[in-house]
Amino acid sequence: DQQVKQNSPSLSVQEGRISILNCDYTNSMFDYFLWYKKYPAEGPTFLISISSIKDKNEDGRFTVFLNKSAKHLSLHIVPSQPGDSAVYFCAASDPQTGANNLFFGTGTRLTVIP
Amino acid sequence: DAGITQSPRHKVTETGTPVTLRCHQTENHRYMYWYRQDPGHGLRLIHYSYGVKDTDKGEVSDGYSVSRSKTEDFLLTLESATSSQTSVYFCAISWGQDAYEQYFGPGTRLTVT
Repeated sequence: DQQVKQNSPSLSVQEGRISILNCDYTNSMFDYFLWYKKYPAEGPTFLISISSIKDKNEDGRFTVFLNKSAKHLSLHIVPSQPGDSAVYFCAASDPQTGANNLFFGTGTRLTVIP
Repeated sequence: DAGITQSPRHKVTETGTPVTLRCHQTENHRYMYWYRQDPGHGLRLIHYSYGVKDTDKGEVSDGYSVSRSKTEDFLLTLESATSSQTSVYFCAISWGQDAYEQYFGPGTRLTVT
């Protein structure tokens, strides 16, 4: 059963506009959330993260928002650039595993149109 | 770039044969992980290691075994490959229990015919 869900398999956005990628989770024990970006034929690269004690974390053009009551997080990219076109995975860490094992969503393919 | 390499990068093998994939890191990270990526499933954890000779099962461990005899190397073995194990396999590393971020290798594309 998928504990982390990304319900939008794809998203297209015009260059310069905001991209919003969404993620929902079911396990209330998750205590840390991460976003990864993946280009074809490469491994995922870490993008940004947020602890469950915060509701927002910002790093340049990227902001992650966490709504614990709704078990929902989102990634905002402003402004979107063509180089942002990739598959984005959200992930959540389960502290009960002892090794901070990550549970991943199925990914959203973002296309930024020039 | 985290110093993670995976070998081979591509492999085609026949059903029933054993296959070993290698992950090598130069970062001296304590934790190492093996994932598989499949359409519709994202990345799923197969096995992980929290030190030399210390390993444990992940979400989809059936049909796989691992070994870690040195800090820098983590091996994934498919004991008898099946077509359902056709996938892209990623190795990841992280510092330790206080570090949540994992850093991934470039992946191995395995096809079982």
